[in-house]
Amino acid sequence: KNQVEQSPQSLIILEGKNCTLQCNYTVSPFSNLRWYKQDTGRGPVSLTIMTFSENTKSNGRYTATLDADTKQSSLHITASQLSDSASYICVVRNYGGSQGNLIFGKGTKLSVKP
Amino acid sequence: EAQVTQNPRYLITVTGKKLTVTCSQNMNHEYMSWYRQDPGLGLRQIYYSMNVEVTDKGDVPEGYKVSRKEKRNFPLILESPSPNQTSLYFCASRQGVLGLAGLYEQYFGPGTRLTVT
Repeated sequence: KNQVEQSPQSLIILEGKNCTLQCNYTVSPFSNLRWYKQDTGRGPVSLTIMTFSENTKSNGRYTATLDADTKQSSLHITASQLSDSASYICVVRNYGGSQGNLIFGKGTKLSVKP
Repeated sequence: EAQVTQNPRYLITVTGKKLTVTCSQNMNHEYMSWYRQDPGLGLRQIYYSMNVEVTDKGDVPEGYKVSRKEKRNFPLILESPSPNQTSLYFCASRQGVLGLAGLYEQYFGPGTRLTVT
């Protein structure tokens, strides 16, 4: 069964600290993996998209890694800011069919405290 | 500004009273879709449309209808809403041609919070 599991479910860190969010998936065949940031009550916004051949991708203070062999991805946030407080959603697209499916993780809720 | 808009943003209604949530995009995207988001369940696709007059069911289509008469608009219709359709709804759009790697940017609307009593 195609699944995307994220951990932890929630995380509280102090402003300025780093953190790493995890994503494990069992999606096959794999097409690409993306991380979204979702502020409370808003629509998700894309942070990164990676194909199986990409190991690392950065977007400012956000760095995503992908290990296609172990089917794991991580999102590292450096020098966190209060505005990083949001849910972070890992989404995997499986290849095939007329559209391909997007399989969504349940998200990690990050709270950055001053 | 490239965007997906939804209306209304908030809606409280009663069981059985038909309602429509509108969605519009200004990016000339072929593909549009509707999701619902519930606590602990993540985003689930309701319906999608690959182009005008072409729609198909997603993972949770029961109790919903859609139409795609124009490229920019993709309304979500609840003919007889029930309390289990209380949720946060998102419309999304992207380009239709995917390419080999299926790389595309999917844009989400701001969401519509629906409460059915």
